[in-house]
Amino acid sequence: DIQLTQSPSFLSASVGDRVTITCRASQGISSYLAWYQQKPGKAPKLLIYAASTLQSGVPSRFSGSRSGTEFTLTISSLQPEDFATYYCQQLNSYPFTFGQGTRLEIK
Amino acid sequence: EVQLVESGGGLVQPGGSLKLSCAASGFTFSGSAMHWVRQAPGKGLEWVGLIRSKGYSYATAYIASVKGRFTISRDDSKKTAYLQMNSLKIEDTAVYYCTTTDGWGQGTLVTVSS
Repeated sequence: DIQLTQSPSFLSASVGDRVTITCRASQGISSYLAWYQQKPGKAPKLLIYAASTLQSGVPSRFSGSRSGTEFTLTISSLQPEDFATYYCQQLNSYPFTFGQGTRLEIK
Repeated sequence: EVQLVESGGGLVQPGGSLKLSCAASGFTFSGSAMHWVRQAPGKGLEWVGLIRSKGYSYATAYIASVKGRFTISRDDSKKTAYLQMNSLKIEDTAVYYCTTTDGWGQGTLVTVSS
């Protein structure tokens, strides 16, 4: 199985900050990676697919990139509604594993 | 608007069975792969499996821990996907979501306990 390792697991930041979350795959997955945002008690919401394509309706402050087997999610200027848990998921090969999550909290 | 509505969750004893349903609307269900993802209380997301569309011969795939116990099926005429869960274990306790590339359901809680 492909392992996805997110870092950091926990992040404390302030409104207006630029933050980056990293997701490393244990083997090549091309660009078959998605990013999700989940708020407590809610279903996850797709932010980015194919590593860098913004899902319709998602604010442009969110962006994704890929370098080999390392993927990053960047939020350019944190807004109050962005404080949540973020997950990456690979869709290259079964099973379609998730990263362990990154909890983003208000400093 | 994409809508996915899960139902069928509840309390079941270890070794028991449960069948979850996912009713879809707002997108081309017959052409979409349908996934099931679960989340144990206070834990992260775990992909359970998927069923592909008729064009891919309704192929299925599962995580190792549920293979042979869980079965995913679909009825394109009813725009509904199913997750049949047999031989349930305590560690299967979770909120179960159905998902597609177009969206996620609200989830249904399955509790396995004696």
